[in-house]
Amino acid sequence: KNQVEQSPQSLIILEGKNCTLQCNYTVSPFSNLRWYKQDTGRGPVSLTIMTFSENTKSNGRYTATLDADTKQSSLHITASQLSDSASYICVVSRYSSASKIIFGSGTRLSIRP
Amino acid sequence: SQTIHQWPATLVQPVGSPLSLECTVEGTSNPNLYWYRQAAGRGLQLLFYSVGIGQISSEVPQNLSASRPQDRQFILSSKKLLLSDSGFYLCAWRGQETGELFFGEGSRLTVL
Repeated sequence: KNQVEQSPQSLIILEGKNCTLQCNYTVSPFSNLRWYKQDTGRGPVSLTIMTFSENTKSNGRYTATLDADTKQSSLHITASQLSDSASYICVVSRYSSASKIIFGSGTRLSIRP
Repeated sequence: SQTIHQWPATLVQPVGSPLSLECTVEGTSNPNLYWYRQAAGRGLQLLFYSVGIGQISSEVPQNLSASRPQDRQFILSSKKLLLSDSGFYLCAWRGQETGELFFGEGSRLTVL
């Protein structure tokens, strides 16, 4: 069964600290993996995309990693800011029809001052 | 540049009333269009997707329907809302080159 599981479900850290969010997937055949950021009450916005051959992708203070062998990805946030408070969603696409995009349930990150 | 508009942003409707959520995309042609629903604390659930005018595919049986009367217009409807239809609805289009999903701002529906 094609699934995407994220951990932790929620996380609270102090401003300025680093954190790492995890994503495990069982999607096949794998096309790519994206991390989205969703502010409360808004639509998700893409942070990074990674294909099978990519191990690391950075976008400012966000760094995503992908291990295609173990089917795991992580999103590392460095020097967190209050504006990083949001839900982070791992999304995996299959080589298939237009509908085959599978979403994780997200990690709710709260940054405290 | 491409933009996606979704409205209304919030909606409070009584049980049994009709629903119409609209989504339009600008700056692209023949996009793949999607309707998702997001329950509180849950992941996004695909409701409908469309690869062209008049072409609608449904992922889950439900009380809702979708239509695509124009290339860049996608409408989510219901004839009679249920309490369980409450949620956050997101429209999205998919970029052909990168496969990235671009989401609208969402519509918060509360059925009372």
